[in-house]
Amino acid sequence: RKEVEQDPGPFNVPEGATVAFNCTYSNSASQSFFWYRQDCRKEPKLLMSVYSSGNEDGRFTAQLNRASQYISLLIRDSKLSDSATYLCVVNRGRRALTFGSGTRLQVQP
Amino acid sequence: EPEVTQTPSHQVTQMGQEVILRCVPISNHLYFYWYRQILGQKVEFLVSFYNNEISEKSEIFDDQFSVERPDGSNFTLKIRSTKLEDSAMYFCASKLAGEPHNEQFFGPGTRLTVL
Repeated sequence: RKEVEQDPGPFNVPEGATVAFNCTYSNSASQSFFWYRQDCRKEPKLLMSVYSSGNEDGRFTAQLNRASQYISLLIRDSKLSDSATYLCVVNRGRRALTFGSGTRLQVQP
Repeated sequence: EPEVTQTPSHQVTQMGQEVILRCVPISNHLYFYWYRQILGQKVEFLVSFYNNEISEKSEIFDDQFSVERPDGSNFTLKIRSTKLEDSAMYFCASKLAGEPHNEQFFGPGTRLTVL
C-alpha cells in the first residue's frame, strides 16, 4: 500500500466552481500534514498545513481525520490561477516529507 | 523574502560521470534535505542533514550519493557515477527547526539529464 494515496485526476472544473481533493495515508505515526502546490516543472510550495480541528485560509479549507487517516482540501470559487498539481504530504516527526503523487487541477474559463 | 537557491538550473552529463549539485539553504535554517522527482512521478526523499551529519536517508541514497556542507552556506549533493535513471529534477529544501509542523522551503531545483 502506498504511504500517501491521491486520485491523480485531472479534475477539469469551470471558474467559480468548488472542488475537493482527498488523500489517505497509511502510517498512523504521521504527525504533520500539509497540502503543497506544484506548478509544471517547478518546486513544491506550501499551500497550507492541516490541523486536526480543520483550518481555512481564504478560499481553501483543509480537514484531517486521524481515525480514518484521511486528509481533504476544498477549494471554493476556483480561479484560473489555481490550475496546478496539489500534493498531499505527511511528516513523521523530524523525518522527511512523504509526498503523494498529486492531483492535477485544471480550471477552465 | 529569503529563499533557497540551487545551481545549476540544468545539468547535462554523460553516464558514468560525477556531478555535484549545489544548494544555498536559507541562512538561519538548521535542517537540510535533498529530494528528487523523476519526470511524471512523485517527489521522493533522498537524504536529510542536521548538525553536520546525515540524519536520515532513503533506499535511493546508495553509495553513489553523498552530501556535504563544505562551509556555512552551501549544501551539495554529489553523484559519483551517474546512471541514466538518475535523470530527474533534484530539489534542495531547508527548515528552520525540527518541529514537525515547520515548513520545509524548497529551492527551484536542478534538472539533471544523464545521456
